[in-house]
Amino acid sequence: QKEVEQNSGPLSVPEGAIASLNCTYSDRVSQSFFWYRQYSGKSPELIMSIYSNGDKEDGRFTAQLNKASQYVSLLIRDSQPSDSATYLCAVTTFGGNSGGSNYKLTFGKGTLLTVNP
Amino acid sequence: GAVVSQHPSWVICKSGTSVKIECRSLDFQATTMFWYRQFPKQSLMLMATSNEGSKATYEQGVEKDKFLINHASLTLSTLTVTSAHPEDSSFYICSGRPIPGANVLTFGAGSRLTVL
Repeated sequence: QKEVEQNSGPLSVPEGAIASLNCTYSDRVSQSFFWYRQYSGKSPELIMSIYSNGDKEDGRFTAQLNKASQYVSLLIRDSQPSDSATYLCAVTTFGGNSGGSNYKLTFGKGTLLTVNP
Repeated sequence: GAVVSQHPSWVICKSGTSVKIECRSLDFQATTMFWYRQFPKQSLMLMATSNEGSKATYEQGVEKDKFLINHASLTLSTLTVTSAHPEDSSFYICSGRPIPGANVLTFGAGSRLTVL
């Protein structure tokens, strides 16, 4: 079973602080990694994608990937109350289960982030 | 940006009835679309992949006779929950890949199904 693991939280940080979200995955051949944000009752929206080892920055968000350790993280700088949401780590896996698709985006359970004013 | 329209956004039905959920790609053609299900406080679980003009491929443990998927055109995929029961109550979300071969998915707004 190809898995994506996240600390479910909740993670609580004060406004203006750095929020650090972590994710590990089990499938060594995974090539694409994503962070989605999901507000309660809504569908996920893409925050970041990362494909190679190292850091990728986009505004207040930085994704970090370490394929050797099978680890991906998301840093949110200057956290705002509007950042309060569940953050889902997603990893592409291939091969699927019996009868499943060749391409598959597998999600972790998500980390609930609360930014306190 | 790429848009996936999903309808209805919420539906309440009686046990034993069937419910159809539509998913449309508004500004791109989708040869495949992905149907996910999310129970409260759980992650998104892939149910099946719909393939335009051919049969859907289902994930292990998903009943293909209960969750009927049709992908009749490059812009429309439908999921029909047949003989719905309370345990089918969930948040169903479809998604597509705006760029063929790319790994980024765009999600519809989701459909919340409540079966009484």
